[in-house]
Amino acid sequence: DAMVIQNPRYQVTQFGKPVTLSCSQTLNHNVMYWYQQKSSQAPKLLFHYYDKDFNNEADTPDNFQSRRPNTSFCFLDIRSPGLGDAAMYLCATSRDPGYNEQFFGPGTRLTVL
Amino acid sequence: QKEVEQNSGPLSVPEGAIASLNCTYSDRGSQSFFWYRQYSGKSPELIMSIYSNGDKEDGRFTAQLNKASQYVSLLIRDSQPSDSATYLCAVHGSYYGGSQGNLIFGKGTKLSVKP
Repeated sequence: DAMVIQNPRYQVTQFGKPVTLSCSQTLNHNVMYWYQQKSSQAPKLLFHYYDKDFNNEADTPDNFQSRRPNTSFCFLDIRSPGLGDAAMYLCATSRDPGYNEQFFGPGTRLTVL
Repeated sequence: QKEVEQNSGPLSVPEGAIASLNCTYSDRGSQSFFWYRQYSGKSPELIMSIYSNGDKEDGRFTAQLNKASQYVSLLIRDSQPSDSATYLCAVHGSYYGGSQGNLIFGKGTKLSVKP
């Protein structure tokens, strides 16, 4: 089945220690998104890639970076995690930007000690 | 700031009843509307998409859209305990509405179906 895969599912890191989360997709979608979701809150868009074009949300901290080496893979790098970065990180894909449906991966739960 | 508003709940209904979830949005240029179901600790799962005014039915789920009133709803018939989850309303903001065509989520309504 076509799907969105995220690894790891659970990540524990120390304050200030860089961490990388990965996302892969077999849907062959053009757009990949990274969201941050904290408890009882709506998912918050961090950035997205439309093919190779990177689109950063204005309020995404510089501490968060992303890479998309090819169509299938996208990475979220947190350069110096703070306690406030503990959250569920969701990867999603859509065929095109705009009005298409977005499909989410299972998420990575990040804990910062 | 374009917004999507939902009643946070919790909404509690007995098993077998109809659950009605409501959502309003502020961007009049929005054209696409989605309902996601999110179980506790899990990721959102797309359950309904609607693009035109009126009703769209899929099994026990019916999505209703009224663009003039900027209102979208989700009805769940014959509610089951397994429907207990948070339901997120999501709206594609228009490119000219300041959201660059991104998906704007409400905070979700927590539904509890009692056996």
